[in-house]
Amino acid sequence: DAGVTQSPTHLIKTRGQQVTLRCSPKSGHDTVSWYQQALGQGPQFIFQYYEEEERQRGNFPDRFSGHQFPNYSSELNVNALLLGDSALYLCASSFPAANGGYTFGSGTRLTVV
Amino acid sequence: QKEVEQNSGPLSVPEGAIASLNCTYSDRVSQSFFWYRQYSGKSPELIMSIYSNGDKEDGRFTAQLNKASQYVSLLIRDSQPSDSATYLCAVNTDKLIFGTGTRLQVFP
Repeated sequence: DAGVTQSPTHLIKTRGQQVTLRCSPKSGHDTVSWYQQALGQGPQFIFQYYEEEERQRGNFPDRFSGHQFPNYSSELNVNALLLGDSALYLCASSFPAANGGYTFGSGTRLTVV
Repeated sequence: QKEVEQNSGPLSVPEGAIASLNCTYSDRVSQSFFWYRQYSGKSPELIMSIYSNGDKEDGRFTAQLNKASQYVSLLIRDSQPSDSATYLCAVNTDKLIFGTGTRLQVFP
């Protein structure tokens, strides 16, 4: 049973560039949430996708956008990168009806220089 | 007030001791509560979930929930050096919200 897979694992981008991160949820999960985790901090909720719609959004600017595909996989896009966007980006999948915890992928380490 | 609050630590305990980790939350409608363990540079791993008041035990781990006090705790018995990690408390309302985590250090 494949867990949550994220790609790429590491990424270095220049300030002002755009980046796309990808996530495939755990088999049987239909909801994908994205988190940003800065060093020494807890994961911060970015947004959640269900049935290809953004269902919830955290306190992040519009530079952060996403998409969910019919196969439940998801992308996170960040435009006009800032140095402060350097963080570990985590994707988590869940099945809402189960009211359970989320399963996390291994994350994408983004460094903006 | 933060939605989920934890003491950042570090909490240092000797091997074999009980480690006690605490968390408070602000949203009274929260229904499900989780503890995740995160090793340095890795992603969070779910170790305990609890939904009703009282204690829930799983091996060396015990989660405790008090909804009236809006308080969740995690006890780790017979702590091992391999338990050294950051422990994240998470509360699910309509999304999963995390605290900043408590760093636990277990020394031999």
